[in-house]
Amino acid sequence: QVTLVESGGGVVQPGTSLRLSCVASGITFNSLDFHWVRQAPGKGLEWVAFISYDGENEFYGDSVKGRFTVSRDDSKKTLYLQMNSLTGEDTALYYCAADRGPGPFDYWGQGALVTVSS
Amino acid sequence: SFVLAQSPSVSVAPGDTATITCGGHNIGNLDVHWYQQKPGQAPVVVMSYTNDRPSHIPERFSGSNSGSTATLTISGVEAGDEADYYCQVWDTNSDHRVFGGGTKLTVL
Repeated sequence: QVTLVESGGGVVQPGTSLRLSCVASGITFNSLDFHWVRQAPGKGLEWVAFISYDGENEFYGDSVKGRFTVSRDDSKKTLYLQMNSLTGEDTALYYCAADRGPGPFDYWGQGALVTVSS
Repeated sequence: SFVLAQSPSVSVAPGDTATITCGGHNIGNLDVHWYQQKPGQAPVVVMSYTNDRPSHIPERFSGSNSGSTATLTISGVEAGDEADYYCQVWDTNSDHRVFGGGTKLTVL
């Protein structure tokens, strides 16, 4: 059974940083591409970041490029999202998701809630 | 950046057919994936590569894609189909993944 579990969410002040983690189980972690997808309260899905199965490629959505960094530790089967210079517009539920190539996001976690507020 | 347009809402009676569209420039040239999201839950794939239905998704779900519009069709709609539906593509020009704005399906 595939499980993705996000952690690290919380309430932070604008301008600060936060790091999310996503631990995977039940899958061959190092064969999968991973993404972060977020959903602001009452809003739709927004793709945030991508990291390839080998860590060689990273891509970011326009709204987070230069502020967010995605990384992975295959030995720990863990995906990370380092978020810097946070603003209220970054308030959202952050999902990690995995795909087996440039296809659909086959596996999703339950999300980590990030609230940016003073 | 690539933009996908979805109608905000669709309402159908039980047993009727729901048609959910996703518009984008030459989207017919791309693989389109569809997700179902129920309140408080993570999204779930209901259709991949335009018309490839996961084994756990009923045959009532089907997909098509041509020109500037991709379509998810749900025949014989049931109350349990009530959810938000999102289309998604891989914009190969930017290597970005893109989601449509989502369509709320209401079963009357």
